[in-house]
Amino acid sequence: GDSVTQMEGPVTLSEEAFLTINCTYTATGYPSLFWYVQYPGEGLQLLLKATKADDKGSNKGFEATYRKETTSFHLEKGSVQVSDSAVYFCALSDPATNSGYALNFGKGTSLLVTP
Amino acid sequence: NAGVTQTPKFQVLKTGQSMTLQCAQDMNHEYMSWYRQDPGMGLRLIHYSVGAGITDQGEVPNGYNVSRSTTEDFPLRLLSAAPSQTSVYFCASSYGQGGQPQHFGDGTRLSIL
Repeated sequence: GDSVTQMEGPVTLSEEAFLTINCTYTATGYPSLFWYVQYPGEGLQLLLKATKADDKGSNKGFEATYRKETTSFHLEKGSVQVSDSAVYFCALSDPATNSGYALNFGKGTSLLVTP
Repeated sequence: NAGVTQTPKFQVLKTGQSMTLQCAQDMNHEYMSWYRQDPGMGLRLIHYSVGAGITDQGEVPNGYNVSRSTTEDFPLRLLSAAPSQTSVYFCASSYGQGGQPQHFGDGTRLSIL
């Protein structure tokens, strides 16, 4: 079955440091890939997405590139801020499963950015 | 813009009690789903619906029922609550298949004693 694996947290960085959160996946079909962010006490918000190989999703300084050859979708940001402290989830939707609508999530990576 | 609205935000139940978690969306989305979030487990799909009158099971459906009588509403019913169902529950909706992003509610934090 489909699965998403992302690096374990928590990740602690100083403000303005470079961020990478690794995400790899396995899928039956040709999935769409997503990064969601969850701030404390809130629901999940879409951060960025990519729907085909070599697409780059970007938003709020975050970027991730859909790498089909390595089945990866790593999240990066060049300079993190304290306000980026949150839990980040990598996810996929696969047209070959659950009618292609449902999301299959990684376990989440907690990020803490200190001043 | 209301988006996806979940009620209640918090609930404490005793083992064996039943209750319904409400979810409503005002975006005319076809697809709705329920997930549960547990520490270290990410989010796991409970049930989903691709339109009014159509529901199906996800990864962890046991102990839960759903129905979809209207496009807007997708309630989740716990028939006989168990401590293992203590979790945070999220409802989500999306317009279409594949690359369409899902919109999440703020969650219901449920404790079963």
